[in-house]
Amino acid sequence: DSGVTQTPKHLITATGQRVTLRCSPRSGDLSVYWYQQSLDQGLQFLIQYYNGEERAKGNILERFSAQQFPDLHSELNLSSLELGDSALYFCASSANVAGGGETQYFGPGTRLLVL
Amino acid sequence: AQSVTQLDSQVPVFEEAPVELRCNYSSSVSVYLFWYVQYPNQGLQLLLKYLSGSTLVKGINGFEAEFNKSQTSFHLRKPSVHISDTAEYFCAVSDEYNQGGKLIFGQGTELSVKP
Repeated sequence: DSGVTQTPKHLITATGQRVTLRCSPRSGDLSVYWYQQSLDQGLQFLIQYYNGEERAKGNILERFSAQQFPDLHSELNLSSLELGDSALYFCASSANVAGGGETQYFGPGTRLLVL
Repeated sequence: AQSVTQLDSQVPVFEEAPVELRCNYSSSVSVYLFWYVQYPNQGLQLLLKYLSGSTLVKGINGFEAEFNKSQTSFHLRKPSVHISDTAEYFCAVSDEYNQGGKLIFGQGTELSVKP
C-alpha cells in the first residue's frame, strides 16, 4: 500500500459526459501528479500540482482540468468524453517539488471506460 | 526532449533463470532514472532509482540496475527470478532541470516467469 488513495476504482460513462477523479496523496506529501495509461499511448504525464498550485503540464487535453485543494487532495476533471479517453488514470504523490529525483508514490488508479 | 526506449516488449523466462530488462534513454542533461513494477490490477511500485554516485543500484526484491552514461542505458537485472516476479516493468527518466520532476516512461516490458 503506497498510501495514495484514488476514487472511484472503476468508472463507466458515455461519450459527451463529464467525470471527476479524486486523489488523496500520502500524508505530508505536497506534490500530486496525474498520469494516463492507455494501450496506444502508454504511461503519459498529464499535470502536476504543488501545494495548491500548478507546477508542470504535459500532454493534457483542453477538455481535461485539475486542481489541488487546501487539504492537498486533488481532482482531475474530464469533460466531453470521447471513446479514446478510456484509460487507467493514476495519481502519484511526492514530498516536495524538487528538480527531479524524488520518488513518486502511485495510487491504484481509476479505470475509466467511455462507451 | 527526453525519451525512454524499452527494447523488449515481452520477456519470457523460466523460474530461477537470470533476467535482464533493457532500457535506453535520450537526454541532453543529467538525468535521474527509475524502474517501477506494475503487478496486475495494481499501481506502480518503485523498484529502484539512480540519482548519482555508484552506477550499480540495488533495489527491492533482489533487483539491481546499472547506469551506463556512455551508452545511455539503465538495464534492470535479477540473477534468479520467481513466479511472483511476473509483472510489467517500466523504466522512467526525469532530469534536474525539469520543474516538477515529471516522469517520462518507456513503453513497458512484460516479464513472464514460467515454472
